[in-house]
Amino acid sequence: DARVTQTPRHKVTEMGQEVTMRCQPILGHNTVFWYRQTMMQGLELLAYFRNRAPLDDSGMPKDRFSAEMPDATLATLKIQPSEPRDSAVYFCASGSLFGGGITEAFFGQGTRLTVV
Amino acid sequence: AQSVTQLDSQVPVFEEAPVELRCNYSSSVSVYLFWYVQYPNQGLQLLLKYLSGSTLVKGINGFEAEFNKSQTSFHLRKPSVHISDTAEYFCAVSTLYGGSQGNLIFGKGTKLSVKP
Repeated sequence: DARVTQTPRHKVTEMGQEVTMRCQPILGHNTVFWYRQTMMQGLELLAYFRNRAPLDDSGMPKDRFSAEMPDATLATLKIQPSEPRDSAVYFCASGSLFGGGITEAFFGQGTRLTVV
Repeated sequence: AQSVTQLDSQVPVFEEAPVELRCNYSSSVSVYLFWYVQYPNQGLQLLLKYLSGSTLVKGINGFEAEFNKSQTSFHLRKPSVHISDTAEYFCAVSTLYGGSQGNLIFGKGTKLSVKP
């Protein structure tokens, strides 16, 4: 049963610490998305990759967030230094492009980040 | 840039009553349209999607949606809801052309609360 796997599921860290979230997309999918979900802002698109190349990261605070895909089986989202306002649930999703658009995106279970 | 507006943040309804969750989108190019459902502490799960063809699409759990190009709407309906339908529902679009091709943008969600 193919699924998107995110680790860790929960993370509590102190302000100023580095946080790394990992995502294993579904094999064969060429597009990976990172989203942040909060009560106030809903689901925000932070960045997305196609064939491992970053296409758009305009949703990310550039000074502290970075996203990479070192290989086809791993996507990472890093926050350095972390701040309390970064507390949220971070989702990774993967999908395939067809006819110009994404035909379906599969979501991981999310990483719940708490910065104290 | 495209955007998605979900007109109701919360919809309370009694069990076995019909429900409609409204979604409007804005895009200068063609899009694919989606509805996702999120249960507490879980990731998002696809309910249904419109890619092309018939404007009335049927999904899982008895839900259906109708694409109206002239009104740029994609409203979700169910003729008779169950307690188990209590969840948050998200409308999303994926752009087919242009600089944002193949992205996936979500509305802010509608919380459906089904009461006995």
